[in-house]
Amino acid sequence: QVQLVESGGGVVQPGRSLRLSCAASGFIFSSYGMHWVRQAPGKGLEWVAVIWYDGSNKYYAESVKGRFTISRDNSKNTLDLQMNGLRVEDTAVYYCARDHLDPPRTFDIWGQGTVVTVSS
Amino acid sequence: QSALTQPASVSGSPGQSITISCTGTSSDVGGYNYVSWYQRYPGKAPKLMIYDVSLRPSGVSNRFSGSKSGNTASLTISGLQAEDEADYYCTSYTSRITPRVIFGGGTKLTV
Repeated sequence: QVQLVESGGGVVQPGRSLRLSCAASGFIFSSYGMHWVRQAPGKGLEWVAVIWYDGSNKYYAESVKGRFTISRDNSKNTLDLQMNGLRVEDTAVYYCARDHLDPPRTFDIWGQGTVVTVSS
Repeated sequence: QSALTQPASVSGSPGQSITISCTGTSSDVGGYNYVSWYQRYPGKAPKLMIYDVSLRPSGVSNRFSGSKSGNTASLTISGLQAEDEADYYCTSYTSRITPRVIFGGGTKLTV
């Protein structure tokens, strides 16, 4: 079945780095745009980044621009989020989500999320 | 970019209809027919209910419908059922400055 599984979350000190991964299965990964979305404790959902189906375009929320990098490997059906210079306010559950539209603008399949805690 | 504005909560009785609003600006909701709605149960990942203002993904009940007028989009749920009790979020695409998606703050529906 169609599935997205995130991994790589954990506890990290401010200023350090973390790399999240999302493994896709059950669909033709290379045909879909992909997003990262997060939810901080007690807060609403926040879009983080998007990557086009072929990796040709990448866009970021202002809150993470210059610190986070989204990437994908269509040969391995994986999506990554490299997070550098982490801040306490980056603490959140991070979800990867598939987008079946062009331009990417919606999330039709979601993973279950991976928890990132930034704390000293 | 500010979040889209949704009411914090709405309520209704079984069998009734309710509408949840999502207000943005001419740069997002009003500028594109790219509004989506998501249902979310506590501790679960969101589920896509409506995309591109009024389109339903396969498998979503036709009790859920979407519309838009100006800078405000709406999700209507008819024939309310107990299982509809959940949080609902709207999103809109915007390309002002760079392409991105913005979320509403979410609405708690109590049935």
